[in-house]
Amino acid sequence: GESVGLHLPTLSVQEGDNSIINCAYSNSASDYFIWYKQESGKGPQFIIDIRSNMDKRQGQRVTVLLNKTVKHLSLQIAATQPGDSAVYFCAENPGYSTLTFGKGTMLLVSP
Amino acid sequence: KAGVTQTPRYLIKTRGQQVTLSCSPISGHRSVSWYQQTPGQGLQFLFEYFSETQRNKGNFPGRFSGRQFSNSRSEMNVSTLELGDSALYLCASSLAAQGETQYFGPGTRLLVL
Repeated sequence: GESVGLHLPTLSVQEGDNSIINCAYSNSASDYFIWYKQESGKGPQFIIDIRSNMDKRQGQRVTVLLNKTVKHLSLQIAATQPGDSAVYFCAENPGYSTLTFGKGTMLLVSP
Repeated sequence: KAGVTQTPRYLIKTRGQQVTLSCSPISGHRSVSWYQQTPGQGLQFLFEYFSETQRNKGNFPGRFSGRQFSNSRSEMNVSTLELGDSALYLCASSLAAQGETQYFGPGTRLLVL
């Protein structure tokens, strides 16, 4: 499949481990944040979102943490599986339907 | 409910040509956004349409344009193609309002020779 990015930060984990992917955002006015997963050859897939009035939100095996003081987001994936291998992007919504994306982190999960 | 669809999936053009890409949003979604993805620059916002009007525009030259039809389907056009326009072009749709989740299509892979 096509590469979605070169020279991306890479996180390598073993199957079953917990993964933490970090992201710094830039606009203090952003009030909505999203994590996307992109597999090779595919478009970004929505994982989880969080609004600025929250600091934590949980989904199925995923948790997003928001620290507005330092403009930092993290995505925690519990019991990481080989199917979780992909590039993960954080995105912030500074207004209307515009999204500003981070550079992405490649997650590699070894069996 | 069907997802966002984009056509064509792959395209090869030569410098100086123009290209039109098409996007059909999720049924009921009225906002369509376009993004360019390259290895060097990542995902960059091109423009967003709502009710046939361009509501937001990113920092791209005027060679990049788009439109939206009354059924919310959208097209983007790139004129006078340059080698650097080679990229994955992604379309995303959302219901309408600010702060709505955007759902992406599979993209159109454009190669300019």
